[in-house]
Formats: sequence, structure tokens, C-alpha cells
Amino acid sequence: ETGVTQTPRHLVMGMTNKKSLKCEQHLGHNAMYWYKQSAKKPLELMFVYNFKEQTENNSVPSRFSPECPNSSHLFLHLHTLQPEDSALYLCASSQDGTGTSPLHFGNGTRLTVT
Amino acid sequence: AQSVTQPDIHITVSEGASLELRCNYSYGATPYLFWYVQSPGQGLQLLLKYFSGDTLVQGIKGFEAEFKRSQSSFNLRKPSVHWSDAAEYFCAVGSPFSNDYKLSFGAGTTVTVRA
Repeated sequence: ETGVTQTPRHLVMGMTNKKSLKCEQHLGHNAMYWYKQSAKKPLELMFVYNFKEQTENNSVPSRFSPECPNSSHLFLHLHTLQPEDSALYLCASSQDGTGTSPLHFGNGTRLTVT
Repeated sequence: AQSVTQPDIHITVSEGASLELRCNYSYGATPYLFWYVQSPGQGLQLLLKYFSGDTLVQGIKGFEAEFKRSQSSFNLRKPSVHWSDAAEYFCAVGSPFSNDYKLSFGAGTTVTVRA
């Protein structure tokens, strides 16, 4: 039990599909993040929400759309993805959006775009 | 902006032997420094962190890391490796001058442990 739960664990979708990734944290944290992890590349920060407000959009294409309805839940809505979007998508949370709060990660969603 | 380099893509070590993973960073001041570990099929777990003070920091699972300002390095060490230490290790750097928690991660080092 990591305290940060991501569903689904695996997702295969076609380029015309619409799907959503879900993240829930049980740690009472106020900041939540989406990261993209591709093989042998550094983790790429996609979005940051701090107290439900989006504070970072790291030049992510509009085919990725985040949603944070409350401090415990984070979604990543996907539509018209490209094969190069296949990757492990990691959700993380931290106590707040400051540099002294360590990140707690979920186990990720392995996304394959066909 | 900060950046992180992990020079070793893959390291193989025998069980019971010592392990050292290298991390070099680029930043104009003393950054926040972290090591994370990722086991297969899992997310990243924090091993240890350095913000200030004693340059030798102890972490979980018997790991330690030493901050060397002169070398811009934050190398991770373990005196005796166990088979369960086989995983991918990530060094990360954060800025202490912003309220935004933007970590820069290295590309990772994969550790294989042989019996």
C-alpha cells in the first residue's frame, strides 16, 4: 500500500479512443502531480496541482487534459493520442508544493497507444 | 535551471559487495538533492534527501549518500548489497529558491545483483 493508488495499472488504447487515468491519495497531501516516464529518459513533469489549483503545465500537448476535483483525486483525460505517448504515467503527491516536501508516487499506469 | 546526470546506465554487482551510484548536478547554488528507487512494476520510493547541514545523509534500506559541493556530486552508497536491491535508482535535484516543487530527475541507473 503506497498511499497513492493509480488505476488502471495497464491501458491499451487506439489513437481515436478517449480514456482517463485516475489517481487517489490517502495521505492528506495538498499537492498532486502527473509525470511521464519513458524508457531510459528522465521523468518528465507534466502537471502540478497545489490546493486544487493548477500551478504547472509543462508544455504538455492538449490531447492530455488534467482534472483535480479535490486534493485527494487527480485525473488525466486522454484523447487522440499518438504512439509516442506510450509510456508509464506516474501520479505523485506531496504535503505541499514546496521543495522540502518529498514526493510519494503511485505504481503508475502503463499506457500503450496502438 | 537545474539538471542531473547519472553517468552509469547499468551496474552489475555481486550480492554482499559494495555499491556506489554516481550523480552529478548542475545548479548555481546548493540544491535540494534526492535519491529515489523504483522496483519493477512499482512507483518511485524516496531513499534519502539532503537539504543542508551534515553532508553525509543516511536513508532507508541501509543506503547513504554524500554531498560534495566541490564536485557537484551526490553519490549513493551501500556497503553490502542484497538481492532485493536490484532496481532502478534515480537522482533528483530541486531548487530551494522557489515555492514550486519542480524536481529534475536523472535518467536512472539500473542495478542488477548477481548471486
